[in-house]
Order: sequence, then structure tokens, then C-alpha cells
Amino acid sequence: AQSVTQLDSQVPVFEEAPVELRCNYSSSVSVYLFWYVQYPNQGLQLLLKYLSGSTLVKGINGFEAEFNKSQTSFHLRKPSVHISDTAEYFCAVKPRNNDMRFGAGTRLTVKP
Amino acid sequence: GAVVSQHPSRVICKSGTSVKIECRSLDFQATTMFWYRQFPKKSLMLMATSNEGSKATYEQGVEKDKFLINHASLTLSTLTVTSAHPEDSSFYICSARDRREYQETQYFGPGTRLLVL
Repeated sequence: AQSVTQLDSQVPVFEEAPVELRCNYSSSVSVYLFWYVQYPNQGLQLLLKYLSGSTLVKGINGFEAEFNKSQTSFHLRKPSVHISDTAEYFCAVKPRNNDMRFGAGTRLTVKP
Repeated sequence: GAVVSQHPSRVICKSGTSVKIECRSLDFQATTMFWYRQFPKKSLMLMATSNEGSKATYEQGVEKDKFLINHASLTLSTLTVTSAHPEDSSFYICSARDRREYQETQYFGPGTRLLVL
């Protein structure tokens, strides 16, 4: 069975500070990894994805994530956040030949 | 590219009535679409996987007779909540997988807020 753990349910940070949202997973097979962002009352928007190749993945809005196979992690980072980054962030894991599974979400709140 | 729309965005209905929600892939063909339900401040719960031209596959605990799914074309899937009850009130989100992408990225619709009175 696969599982996705987002270690922090809420992350408050000040504007222009760096942020890291943590995601760990467990799977017995190889996986694809995704980060999605959800703004209030909206669907999910794809931020970035890791499929293969370079373990450092760059996405939209200045976000990046690094796949660490030995630690089974896919943490999301941004060097300097904006107020507009306030949203819910979901890590997702897609094992081959199985459905995508989501973490519980991390609420990022950027304060002025 | 890879835009998914949902209609309606919000719907209020009386208990006992049925509500249909549409999910469309606007600029790609989707052999597979997914329906999720999201409770307030919670993650997404997969309800069913919809494959074009065949019956949907429902997750354990999801009533197939209550949540009717039809995937009649490569760009449209519908979810009908039959005999709606207040506990069916939720945020329903669909996603679609581009048939050209073997990597299986899912693109999500904007969601439908359902309120059953």
C-alpha cells in the first residue's frame, strides 16, 4: 500500500521569508510525485511534478522540489514567499499502475 | 493547455432531488477522469475512476447507485448525485488524464460546491 504524509498541517511565515513544505511517502513500487496548490473555493493547480531524471524539479510561481529516494521525500521549497502564496498545498504520489494518492495538505499562511 | 472545466460551480438543491455535475476537458482528450470529494479543511477523497465507454470503478464505501457516473465521450464525464441528502453537501472536484501523456499527470477542474438543504 502507498501512503503520503505531509508533516505540517499549517505553516505560517512572514512575507519574503523562505519556506519548506515537507512530504514523505511510502511505496513498494516506483512512483511519480506531484505538488498541487489549492486557493480558496478552487480546484487544484499543478505546481510541479517529478517523473524521472533530475531530482531537483522547478515549477511555477518560483517553487521547486527535490526528490530524495533514500529518504522517500519530496519537499517543496520557495526562497521568498509572497502574500499571494497563501493557500493549501497538497503532495501527491502516483504509483505505476495505481491511483494517485494525496497527502492531508499543508496550509501555508504568509503574513505581512 | 490542459484545461478542465466543471459546471455548475455552485449548486443549491432541496433534499431528495438529483443534481448533475459536468466535467469537461477543454483542449485534450481524456480516456480517464476522476471524481473526488473534499470536506472542509480536508484532503481529497477519490470517489471513482471514470473510463470512456465503460463503467466507472468506485472506491470502497462509495455508493454507485447514489453517485452515478457517465463518461460518454473523451471530453465529458458527469456525476449525478441522486436523491441528495444534506450529508452529501460537499466540494466535488473532477480531474482528467491526458491520453497523450503516459506519465499520467492529472489536471483538475475548479470544483463544484454542492449544498443540499
